[in-house]
Amino acid sequence: GENVEQHPSTLSVQEGDSAVIKCTYSDSASNYFPWYKQELGKRPQLIIDIRSNVGEKKDQRIAVTLNKTAKHFSLHITETQPEDSAVYFCAALIYNFNKFYFGSGTKLNVKP
Amino acid sequence: GAVVSQHPSRVICKSGTSVKIECRSLDFQATTMFWYRQFPKQSLMLMATSNEGSKATYEQGVEKDKFLINHASLTLSTLTVTSAHPEDSSFYICSASSGPRVPGGTYEQYFGPGTRLTVT
Repeated sequence: GENVEQHPSTLSVQEGDSAVIKCTYSDSASNYFPWYKQELGKRPQLIIDIRSNVGEKKDQRIAVTLNKTAKHFSLHITETQPEDSAVYFCAALIYNFNKFYFGSGTKLNVKP
Repeated sequence: GAVVSQHPSRVICKSGTSVKIECRSLDFQATTMFWYRQFPKQSLMLMATSNEGSKATYEQGVEKDKFLINHASLTLSTLTVTSAHPEDSSFYICSASSGPRVPGGTYEQYFGPGTRLTVT
């Protein structure tokens, strides 16, 4: 099956700085890449996603980039705020196979 | 977003007994439900995918006879851990989805709050 690797496992940034989380995947057939945010004690929630026919997508302070050739995708958070502190997961999906494979998660700590 | 409930939130059972966990989509019909195990160091591991009315598809390494999944309706899926052992102690989380709204579009899955299983 698909193997998704995520780095770093923990990330500390100062408020206002940018944060970047990177993921790689193994199956070139994967064609959908969502990112989830899980706050302490809460369930994961989708924050942004990208399809394989798109190279970049932005939503306010959050952006995701995808390099299909290299099989990696990244989450970029600009102007970080303390409320961005959470665990972030990347995932990969092949639409036809209907299965999500998750990265190991990144604990982001934004220091005020 | 849509609401998914999971019951029980915590359960403690003795080794050798079975435990059933329910996952319900409260305000939408879920054609697909996913079952995950979330390990202490954050990782979400897909255990199985179930579609309403059909047998679940298990991931490699997940024993289907040990983790029985039933998806009898569009709003309910159950995971039964049979003959539980201490190594089955974990956080089990389900998610429900009605698939992408349009082909190739956003594929939203809504997570339940999870069940903490402790086998003594």
